[in-house]
Amino acid sequence: SYVLTQPPSVSVAPGKTARITCGGNNIGGKSVHWYQQKPGQAPVLVIYYDSDRPSGIPERFSGSNSGNTATLTISRVEAGDEADYYCQVWDTSTDHPVFGGGTKLTVL
Amino acid sequence: EVQLVESGGGLVQPGGSLRLSCAASGFTFSSYWMHWVRQGPGKGLVWVSRINSDGKSTSYADSVKGRFTISRDNAKNTLSLQMNSLRAEDTAVYYCARATGQLDGMDVWGQGTTVTVSS
Repeated sequence: SYVLTQPPSVSVAPGKTARITCGGNNIGGKSVHWYQQKPGQAPVLVIYYDSDRPSGIPERFSGSNSGNTATLTISRVEAGDEADYYCQVWDTSTDHPVFGGGTKLTVL
Repeated sequence: EVQLVESGGGLVQPGGSLRLSCAASGFTFSSYWMHWVRQGPGKGLVWVSRINSDGKSTSYADSVKGRFTISRDNAKNTLSLQMNSLRAEDTAVYYCARATGQLDGMDVWGQGTTVTVSS
């Protein structure tokens, strides 16, 4: 089955830019979705189809996908962005979604 | 308001059964694919099962195949997950989530219901 690899943690100072990666074999050929999950809350979709933002998600959140790496970029990071972030793709070999292991974003 | 509300979680002994429900409101339930996703204590998100909009196509993670059954009642706007032969490793918060189609992101999630499998 398809494996998505995320760094366990990323730290960033307020106002700086955070980049969270999601690695997978030729992931650039797949559509990647990103979710934000704050403690005790359900996940929230923040980026879909690599780079689209649902309504209500700040423009500070953006995404890209090429080659073997997809990236979620959060600009001008705020304390409220501290959360776990998960990437997700559809695994065509098994016909079901796959999540990455998640990345904990810490705002210093 | 678009909303998904799970229920049915609880404490069950190993080998036991539990049925989870997910009540949908605020949108045309029958137009959406639905998923169950779980999260073990301190762990990441793990996809469990999905069902297409008309209920005729289902899929399961290998870890639950043959033990769990997903179903939906579009007339009652309800998604269900019948869980049999439960194991300790099934202990998790179970979320239902909707998606527009097969490849789409899950854009609405419920608040989750907790399942604990323990003697």
